[in-house]
Amino acid sequence: AQSVTQPDIHITVSEGASLELRCNYSYGATPYLFWYVQSPGQGLQLLLKYFSGDTLVQGIKGFEAEFKRSQSSFNLRKPSVHWSDAAEYFCAVVAFSGGYQKVTFGTGTKLQVIP
Amino acid sequence: SQTIHQWPATLVQPVGSPLSLECTVEGTSNPNLYWYRQAAGRGLQLLFYSVGIGQISSEVPQNLSASRPQDRQFILSSKKLLLSDSGFYLCAWSGQDFGGYTFGSGTRLTVV
Repeated sequence: AQSVTQPDIHITVSEGASLELRCNYSYGATPYLFWYVQSPGQGLQLLLKYFSGDTLVQGIKGFEAEFKRSQSSFNLRKPSVHWSDAAEYFCAVVAFSGGYQKVTFGTGTKLQVIP
Repeated sequence: SQTIHQWPATLVQPVGSPLSLECTVEGTSNPNLYWYRQAAGRGLQLLFYSVGIGQISSEVPQNLSASRPQDRQFILSSKKLLLSDSGFYLCAWSGQDFGGYTFGSGTRLTVV
């Protein structure tokens, strides 16, 4: 069965600093990978996704993620964090079985941005 | 464009009372529909999914049930709420050619 690990529960960064959120997955085949962001009390918004091809994926709001098969990782990055980026971030992996896709989410990383 | 509506946004219910949360999708046909629960400090737990009208699959045995009476309508129900049913409930949809979920804005349920 697939699994996702987000080792950092909380991360605090200064506004303007760079950001990297870690995600490691376990899946027997080529994974489909996602990053979602959740603002307090809101639903989840898709930031970016990787299905195949270029391993560096660009997303919305200036985020990018790099798929590294050798490390089973899909880390999210942003070169300069804005205060509005404070939210919780979820990594997810998709498994396909019998025409149905099952998504497994990590437990999330809460990002705090300080002035 | 496709939109997903989920209501109510907030709900406070006494233990033992019934529950009905509704989710509707617009702008697409035959979506896959999902109910997730997000408990405080925990990740997202898939509760139910549906690939078509009347087709419901349950991921976790629990006090809740789901129904899909129409193509773009997904309902989460309970006959008698438990304290442990408190949480943030999210509805989501995906297309048949899965490109990711689109989530609703969620319902904060507090059972008192």
